[in-house]
Amino acid sequence: AQSVAQPEDQVNVAEGNPLTVKCTYSVSGNPYLFWYVQYPNRGLQFLLKYITGDNLVKGSYGFEAEFNKSQTSFHLKKPSALVSDSALYFCAVRGDAGNMLTFGGGTRLMVKP
Amino acid sequence: NAGVTQTPKFRVLKTGQSMTLLCAQDMNHEYMYWYRQDPGMGLRLIHYSVGEGTTAKGEVPDGYNVSRLKKQNFLLGLESAAPSQTSVYFCASSYRAKNTEAFFGQGTRLTVV
Repeated sequence: AQSVAQPEDQVNVAEGNPLTVKCTYSVSGNPYLFWYVQYPNRGLQFLLKYITGDNLVKGSYGFEAEFNKSQTSFHLKKPSALVSDSALYFCAVRGDAGNMLTFGGGTRLMVKP
Repeated sequence: NAGVTQTPKFRVLKTGQSMTLLCAQDMNHEYMYWYRQDPGMGLRLIHYSVGEGTTAKGEVPDGYNVSRLKKQNFLLGLESAAPSQTSVYFCASSYRAKNTEAFFGQGTRLTVV
């Protein structure tokens, strides 16, 4: 069975500092990895995805993610956090052997002024 | 372009009542999903469909049924609601290709008393 782990329930960072939200996964075959963001009382919005190729993926709003096959990780990063980045972030995986899209438990990012 | 639309947005049910949640997408997506979101649990897949007339169980299917009679619609039914089904329900859709992201509706907040 495939799974996603987001080990931190909450990440706190000061505005202007770099941020990292961690994600590790387990899946059969090649992984297709996604990051989504959820603002209060809203649905999930797509941020970025890893398919194949470059291990550093760039996405919306200045976010990027680093794929590490040996560590089965796909950490979300941003060089300089904004207060408006405060939200709930979800990592998700789909394997090339199945059809399910599996999400992690989510990480709440709090950016303080 | 409406994207993914969920109906209703809010609902309160009494234990034992039944209801159907409707999801409609106008992007001609093959895949559709139903998730529930609970605090600390992330998003858990209830059922999904890879095409018109087909459905499959996800991680937490018990107590729910689904139907996909038309490509654009995916219905989630609760035959006899229980308090444990109090949750926020999200519908999503995507193209068939493994590397495509899913698009989410705005959610349905269901309370079972």
